Amino acid sequence: AQSVTQLDSQVPVFEEAPVELRCNYSSSVSVYLFWYVQYPNQGLQLLLKYLSGSTLVESINGFEAEFNKSQTSFHLRKPSVHISDTAEYFCAVNSGGSNYKLTFGKGTLLTVNP
Amino acid sequence: DVKVTQSSRYLVKRTGEKVFLECVQDMDHENMFWYRQDPGLGLRLIYFSYDVKMKEKGDIPEGYSVSREKKERFSLILESASTNQTSMYLCASSQQGSIQYFGAGTRLSVL
Repeated sequence: AQSVTQLDSQVPVFEEAPVELRCNYSSSVSVYLFWYVQYPNQGLQLLLKYLSGSTLVESINGFEAEFNKSQTSFHLRKPSVHISDTAEYFCAVNSGGSNYKLTFGKGTLLTVNP
Repeated sequence: DVKVTQSSRYLVKRTGEKVFLECVQDMDHENMFWYRQDPGLGLRLIYFSYDVKMKEKGDIPEGYSVSREKKERFSLILESASTNQTSMYLCASSQQGSIQYFGAGTRLSVL
């Protein structure tokens, strides 16, 4: 069975500060990893993904995440946040193969204050 | 762009009513999913379907059923709505592989 732990339920930061949202997973097989973002009153949007290849993946709006197999982590980082980054962020894992299901973490609410 | 459309953004129903939540995707995806989202619990999978007329239970199927008569449409049915089914319901679809695309969600209140 696979599981995802997001260690922080809420992360408040000031605008232009760096941020890290932590995600750890457990799985007995190779994994695909995802970060989704949910803005207020909207559905989830894919932010970035790790499927294979380079362990550092980036999004178009400045976020990055690094797959660390030995620590079973996929932390999300951004060097300088904007108020518009205020949203809930979900980490998800899929063990591939014929199992199409994603297992989600409980989410981290990022609040960027002026 | 992939579009997943949920028929209602907000619904208010009474206890005991039969409730239908509809989801349509326009990208010919094989797989479709229904989740519920509750504060502090994240997303929990109710049911998913990997082909027309095929369905599998997710982690919390009790009190729900689903229907997939056409590839593009996946319906979630609450046979007899209860107050503990008040939640945000999210539909998603995916092609072979893992990337899931989500609708905007339906916020259901059962009174």
